[in-house]
Amino acid sequence: SYVLTQPPSVSVAPGKTARITCGGNNIGSKSVHWYQQKPGQAPVLVIYYDSDRPSGIPERFSGSNSGNTATLTISRVEAGDEADYYCQVWDSSSDHPNWVFGGGTKLTVL
Amino acid sequence: EVQLVESGGVVVQPGGSLRLSCAASGFTFDDYAMHWVRQAPGKGLEWVSLISWDGGSTYYADSVKGRFTISRDNSKNSLYLQMNSLRAEDTALYYCAKDIGGSGGDGFDYWGQGTLVTVSS
Repeated sequence: SYVLTQPPSVSVAPGKTARITCGGNNIGSKSVHWYQQKPGQAPVLVIYYDSDRPSGIPERFSGSNSGNTATLTISRVEAGDEADYYCQVWDSSSDHPNWVFGGGTKLTVL
Repeated sequence: EVQLVESGGVVVQPGGSLRLSCAASGFTFDDYAMHWVRQAPGKGLEWVSLISWDGGSTYYADSVKGRFTISRDNSKNSLYLQMNSLRAEDTALYYCAKDIGGSGGDGFDYWGQGTLVTVSS
């Protein structure tokens, strides 16, 4: 089955740029979606189809996807960005389709 | 405004059964595939099941295949998950999630607040 690998944690100072990676075999050939989950809340879609932003998501959030790595970039990080972030793809390569999540990355704002 | 409201989560004994429901509003329900996604306490997200817009296609994670059944009633804008032969490892917050598209091969653009299922004796 397809595996997505994320770093368990990323720390960044306010105002700086955070980059959260999501590794997978030839992930560049798939569409990657990113979710933000704050404690006690449901996940929120922040990036879809690699780099599109839903309405209401700040322009500070961007995404890229190439080769074996997809990246969520958060510019000018704010305290309110502290959350768990998950990447996700749809994998149709096996005998039945599967919606796969990465293990999640805890973003800490220092 | 899109709203997804789950219900039906309770404490159930191992081997027991449970039916979760999700009431949808704010969008044309029968245009979209729908999913169930779960999250065990303190753990990450795990996709559970998908149903296509018309109910004609369903898929399940290996961990629940043969025990869980997803269904929908488009006349009632409702999604369901019948859970049988429950195990301790099924303990989780269960989210109803709307697919970005109609066929299901996408991500999830709206989520409910979840309903908690606890499997314990």
